[in-house]
Formats: sequence, C-alpha cells, structure tokens
Amino acid sequence: DAGITQSPRYKITETGRQVTLMCHQTWSHSYMFWYRQDLGHGLRLIYYSAAADITDKGEVPDGYVVSRSKTENFPLTLESATRSQTSVYFCASSDPLRRSGGKDTQYFGPGTRLTVL
Amino acid sequence: LAKTTQPISMDSYEGQEVNITCSHNNIATNDYITWYQQFPSQGPRFIIQGYKTKVTNEVASLFIPADRKSSTLSLPRVSLSDTAVYYCLVVGFNKFYFGSGTKLNVKP
Repeated sequence: DAGITQSPRYKITETGRQVTLMCHQTWSHSYMFWYRQDLGHGLRLIYYSAAADITDKGEVPDGYVVSRSKTENFPLTLESATRSQTSVYFCASSDPLRRSGGKDTQYFGPGTRLTVL
Repeated sequence: LAKTTQPISMDSYEGQEVNITCSHNNIATNDYITWYQQFPSQGPRFIIQGYKTKVTNEVASLFIPADRKSSTLSLPRVSLSDTAVYYCLVVGFNKFYFGSGTKLNVKP
C-alpha cells in the first residue's frame, strides 16, 4: 500500500527559478490538496482539487499553479520562486464518499522541504 | 469561513488527562469537527471526528456542546509520545481550514 508520496523530499533553488513539486496517491481519492507550513506555524491551504481537471484556490494561491490531468497526480508549480516561498509543502488526499477514519479525512504525504535562496 | 481558535500551547505531565478546546463560532449546519495530530517533520494524521455530543475511539474523546460553537479533544493518560501539535479542523463542503494548532508538551 504505497499511499501518498511526494517528490522531491528536499529542494534548494534560487529566486526566480521555476520549481515543480510532485504528489502521487494510489487510493484513487477524488480530492487532493496542497498546503504550506512555515517554520513554527500551522498549515495553510494553497490549492485543492475535487477531481481530475477541477481545481480551486485556497487561502494562499498567489505565485503557485496547479494542474490535475490524472486522478492520482497533483503537481504544484512555483512559476518564479521567491524567498517567501521557503516552506515545507504537504500534499494530501481524501475521498468524501469513504467513511473509514471519518468524513473527508485527509491523508498526508511526508512533505517537501523547499528552500529558496 | 469557519475559522478555528485554539490555545497556542499547553503543558502536561505523563499520566494526566489533557483537554484541548477549539472555538469555531461560525460553524455551519452541515460541518463536521475533525482533529489531527502532527509530529515534527511529518504530515498531520487523523485522530477523531464528530458532529455533536460525544465521540470516543481508542485514542481520544471529542466533546461537542449543543450549540457546536466549540469542541474539546480529550486525551486520557498522556505519555511522552503524545507530545505533538493538535489541530482542530471544521470540515464542510469545500471548506478546509487548519488553523495554527495547539502545541502539547508532555513532561515526565
């Protein structure tokens, strides 16, 4: 049971470069999410997707782009990275139709630690 | 948006019961209350969920009063391994807001 994976786990880039973080889940969950967690703070939702080809903004979408051509993948792209985007990025998935664990339970990946120099 | 408010941090000792309260004044009729636990360098994981009154599972209890404007996560007899950040999340249709969480520090 592979679950949900993220790659890379660590990334260092420079200001202005484009970066893509990958997220892959094997459960065929309909919903997928991207959060960022800054040092010592809670999680803030960047984007989410209710199904393939359906995405919507969260709290902090500026500077990020997402796509979801396949149910299992949900890449997050930083079009022109800035230092303020240094953070840990978590991907999650959920399936509102499943009851195990609770309604709309989100299952999180291990995170990607991104540093923008 | 049903934002949540929790204490920033709490201290406890091993063996004690810990209660963490979350305020969610703008909760909607169809929203559920869900609690997650996060250890350092890991993603959050589901603990418990409820709609009203009391829910209990093998790790925690969740108390929700009739007006549902708050909820209390109860951890019985905590151990050092319960040291983590606990998030209260109000879940509704396309509503996902984690908030800042409560950092629980369990001391020996």
